[in-house]
Amino acid sequence: DAKTTQPPSMDCAEGRAANLPCNHSTISGNEYVYWYRQIHSQGPQYIIHGLKNNETNEMASLIITEDRKSSTLILPHATLRDTAVYYCIVRVANYGGSQGNLIFGKGTKLSVKP
Amino acid sequence: EPEVTQTPSHQVTQMGQEVILRCVPISNHLYFYWYRQILGQKVEFLVSFYNNEISEKSEIFDDQFSVERPDGSNFTLKIRSTKLEDSAMYFCASNRQLAKNIQYFGAGTRLSVL
Repeated sequence: DAKTTQPPSMDCAEGRAANLPCNHSTISGNEYVYWYRQIHSQGPQYIIHGLKNNETNEMASLIITEDRKSSTLILPHATLRDTAVYYCIVRVANYGGSQGNLIFGKGTKLSVKP
Repeated sequence: EPEVTQTPSHQVTQMGQEVILRCVPISNHLYFYWYRQILGQKVEFLVSFYNNEISEKSEIFDDQFSVERPDGSNFTLKIRSTKLEDSAMYFCASNRQLAKNIQYFGAGTRLSVL
């Protein structure tokens, strides 16, 4: 699976958009980009995933560059409850013998400030 | 909204004792996982389970660990003889379909080995 690079920490003002970048320059054609977050030692929580098109759901938007070497997770109106560690994970969609275990890096610690 | 339930939330045990951590995955999910997170470190994959057998395991998942789905609803992780270094948060996760690989995590069990 491709390696990802994320900044260790970011700050965001409450109510503003939080834009979290992720580099995955070695991503291959059949690898999806997944975003999870972990709020203070709780279990990780799925946010969104995509292959090459931009995606949006009720939690966030995912923008993937045309060459797929990087992506940005956007929380449009960050709240204090969005303070968490955000993980960008690249994972193959068709696993063969693999059952899809996620490989977590260190992620980005997002602090939303009032 | 259905959720993954883990019990107990905190387990304290003496070194060398056996512990069983319990999980109830979401009812129509087919793929099950255990992860652990040592305090301050990354979330690490331990094992995946499908169709009543282990699909994949990491090098952490040695002979001291075992998993079982004894009754079609519970999914357990047993550590036969706990060591101090087994102290960690243990997260169970489940997934309905491999193609999307959206894993839902429980709140975790904090294992403290004294």
